[in-house]
Amino acid sequence: KNEVEQSPQNLTAQEGEFITINCSYSVGISALHWLQQHPGGGIVSLFMLSSGKKKHGRLIATINIQEKHSSLHITASHPRDSAVYICALRNYNTDKLIFGTGTRLQVFP
Amino acid sequence: NAGVTQTPKFQVLKTGQSMTLQCAQDMNHEYMSWYRQDPGMGLRLIHYSVGAGITDQGEVPNGYNVSRSTTEDFPLRLLSAAPSQTSVYFCASSYFVGQPQHFGDGTRLSIL
Repeated sequence: KNEVEQSPQNLTAQEGEFITINCSYSVGISALHWLQQHPGGGIVSLFMLSSGKKKHGRLIATINIQEKHSSLHITASHPRDSAVYICALRNYNTDKLIFGTGTRLQVFP
Repeated sequence: NAGVTQTPKFQVLKTGQSMTLQCAQDMNHEYMSWYRQDPGMGLRLIHYSVGAGITDQGEVPNGYNVSRSTTEDFPLRLLSAAPSQTSVYFCASSYFVGQPQHFGDGTRLSIL
């Protein structure tokens, strides 16, 4: 079983829809990161979470440590949100980052 | 402030050739790392450095060398390229390990 799993793998949406991307994990973590990889390949860190919820603009990230689950929400989605969203865990024991395989989001006008 | 700069953006090599992927950051970050990204897999850590003069192996270090003679630069060397090293390579940096990282734009490497 992979230490980190994202769902769905692919997601299409109409502009304006509310988007949820999920990340489940099976190891103890000290933090969880959400990253965005643009179609051109560049990677940007969106959030780092160790508990609760964070919000930046239309993006909201939540984490439930007990359930080993995090979600990334996008409100009022826009075509420019089209990207691959990657969940990454910092393993509590090894301090290494473990990356998910990503969720490919396409938002159509 | 350029952030993390990787060169080259694209490279094609023949099996057995060697080359160096360059990575430089101007943010005075202590922590730098190299990842490879392959289809259907998450980013995997090749090597990392927590400061000048200090390097360590990541998850997939075989076939690669690194050095960190300055805070700014962290080159990745392929000693004898193999087709299995065809991948997209990302360099990343942060002030300290565990902090959100800044990524370079990537180097797409093909080995024939």
